Amino acid sequence: DGGITQSPKYLFRKEGQNVTLSCEQNLNHDAMYWYRQDPGQGLRLIYYSQIVNDFQKGDIAEGYSVSREKKESFPLTVTSAQKNPTAFYLCATHVGLSEAGSYNEQFFGPGTRLTVL
Amino acid sequence: GQNIDQPTEMTATEGAIVQINCTYQTSGFNGLFWYQQHAGEAPTFLSYNVLDGLEEKGRFSSFLSRSKGYSYLLLKELQMKDSASYLCAVSGDYKLSFGAGTTVTVRA
Repeated sequence: DGGITQSPKYLFRKEGQNVTLSCEQNLNHDAMYWYRQDPGQGLRLIYYSQIVNDFQKGDIAEGYSVSREKKESFPLTVTSAQKNPTAFYLCATHVGLSEAGSYNEQFFGPGTRLTVL
Repeated sequence: GQNIDQPTEMTATEGAIVQINCTYQTSGFNGLFWYQQHAGEAPTFLSYNVLDGLEEKGRFSSFLSRSKGYSYLLLKELQMKDSASYLCAVSGDYKLSFGAGTTVTVRA
């Protein structure tokens, strides 16, 4: 089964704790993305990675960190510095730069709903 | 910067047609995507436009005017299962910028 896996679907943490959300893909896509979705605000880009061992900040990177040590994996850590971490987090992939010039959509994982108590 | 606007909510009757507008002002443009998202689920791809004009795919059509920074998604023969949020997203610099989404409610 090809696809994107995010686990767990629901996650609860106490305020002040760091938490890491997992994203794994077996689509062999080069690019991976993390978005945050809040009610009424659509999707906002946190971090993205076009290739292994490289990543860039998105629009709302403060309080988050990522790594891209393997092509298949792009974990997101929500740190205690993130002031309002409760949200729905979506991971997405894209075939990548090798297909520049032809359109390819982003594919989304099922999401993780994080609640900080 | 990116500025993408779409209406917050729309309501329509089963079997009717609904048009969701999207206007954008972006620093780079490499196409416009429409996604459908049911509550609590991942967005799924509906359509892509990079050239001006209409793209038709079954009950769904999408239109783009690059000079006006304008797109619309047309949903025909509405079904109850079409009740969802519809996201307009502009592609540029190898990333997508999303509008806030339009929640469509289909009534019997």
